Amino acid sequence: AQTVTQSQPEMSVQEAETVTLSCTYDTSESNYYLFWYKQPPSRQMILVIRQEAYKQQNATENRFSVNFQKAAKSFSLKISDSQLGDTAMYFCAFLPRIIQGAQKLVFGQGTRLTINP
Amino acid sequence: ETGVTQSPTHLIKTRGQQVTLRCSSQSGHNTVSWYQQALGQGPQFIFQYYREEENGRGNFPPRFSGLQFPNYSSELNVNALELDDSALYLCASSSLLAGVTDTQYFGPGTRLTVL
Repeated sequence: AQTVTQSQPEMSVQEAETVTLSCTYDTSESNYYLFWYKQPPSRQMILVIRQEAYKQQNATENRFSVNFQKAAKSFSLKISDSQLGDTAMYFCAFLPRIIQGAQKLVFGQGTRLTINP
Repeated sequence: ETGVTQSPTHLIKTRGQQVTLRCSSQSGHNTVSWYQQALGQGPQFIFQYYREEENGRGNFPPRFSGLQFPNYSSELNVNALELDDSALYLCASSSLLAGVTDTQYFGPGTRLTVL
């Protein structure tokens, strides 16, 4: 069974600063995806960034980038030039790339990020 | 491109009642997954539907059941509601091709309160 651990329950930074959220996971699968989702107070779970395990290059989406360390099973999210709208709960999630059975996301417990003006 | 939609937004029921939650998948997607998110927790997988059949289930009792329709929309039914069923219910759609799926996109959720 896969597990995802986010060790930072809460973080707070000033607007325009850079912040890094941590995530570690445990799996015996060799092929999988990793995701960061954002859940603002509106509750909608919004995809932030996606990483395919077989790709060594770290994914980047505008101000968001990841540091994917496959051997260490680590997947951190860096938010550069943070904005007030980045305030949300952030979830790290694991999706095994399997041929049969349910393709289910396994989520961490989340990190509550607050961007202060 | 139409995103994932869910209805209703909020729902209040009493213990022992039954509830049906609805989800319309994103256009082009053929798979729907349901998750339960208790307050302050990460979402937990309930089950997944593909081609109108259940394609896997999490650790939820049989009183949680579902359906998928030919247009790939889906329903989640919960019978004999318990207080612990109070949660945010999230629906996610994705494409399953050659047995393998990709990114799941979520709807806005249904907040269920059981009194």
